[in-house]
Amino acid sequence: TQLLEQSPQFLSIQEGENLTVYCNSSSVFSSLQWYRQEPGEGPVLLVTVVTGGEVKKLKRLTFQFGDARKDSSLHITAAQPGDTGLYLCAGAAGAQKLVFGQGTRLTINP
Amino acid sequence: ETGVTQSPTHLIKTRGQQVTLRCSSQSGHNTVSWYQQALGQGPQFIFQYYREEENGRGNFPPRFSGLQFPNYSSELNVNALELDDSALYLCASSLDVGGPYEQYFGPGTRLTVT
Repeated sequence: TQLLEQSPQFLSIQEGENLTVYCNSSSVFSSLQWYRQEPGEGPVLLVTVVTGGEVKKLKRLTFQFGDARKDSSLHITAAQPGDTGLYLCAGAAGAQKLVFGQGTRLTINP
Repeated sequence: ETGVTQSPTHLIKTRGQQVTLRCSSQSGHNTVSWYQQALGQGPQFIFQYYREEENGRGNFPPRFSGLQFPNYSSELNVNALELDDSALYLCASSLDVGGPYEQYFGPGTRLTVT
């Protein structure tokens, strides 16, 4: 069974601080996605990483895929209250499904 | 471009009843996947439909069943509802089953079983 462990599960920081969320597995994934989910809504795709060691930047968000394609990280620089939400990583497990982590609930305090 | 839509938004059912949830995929997408998201958890894969055929199933009992129609819209049916079926049910569409498996989610249906 392929599992993704996210850490931390909860994170509350002040506006302007930096943070990193981790997504780890013992399994290899062909690709990994990061989603953000607001209360009462479905997850919204932020980025897909495919190649081991790949780094992608989306404004103040930096995503990295581990060299062995077993782990990933999301780094946010100068966090803003609008970054508040549930961040989910999901690994592609074959052609059929995504395996999701349990999520990191991020709160940015003004 | 029309995104993924789901209906109804909220639903309350009694234990033992049956429920049907509906999903319209994003235009141009021919693959629909269904997920169950319990409170405080990440989504769990239920099954996927590709061109009207089931194309993979997660660890859910047979009372969870589905359909995909020629226009690629989809239904999730759950029979003999149990209290633990209370969750947010998410539908996601994607284009084909090839990589990198990017899926686009609808807003979900919140099912409460009492």
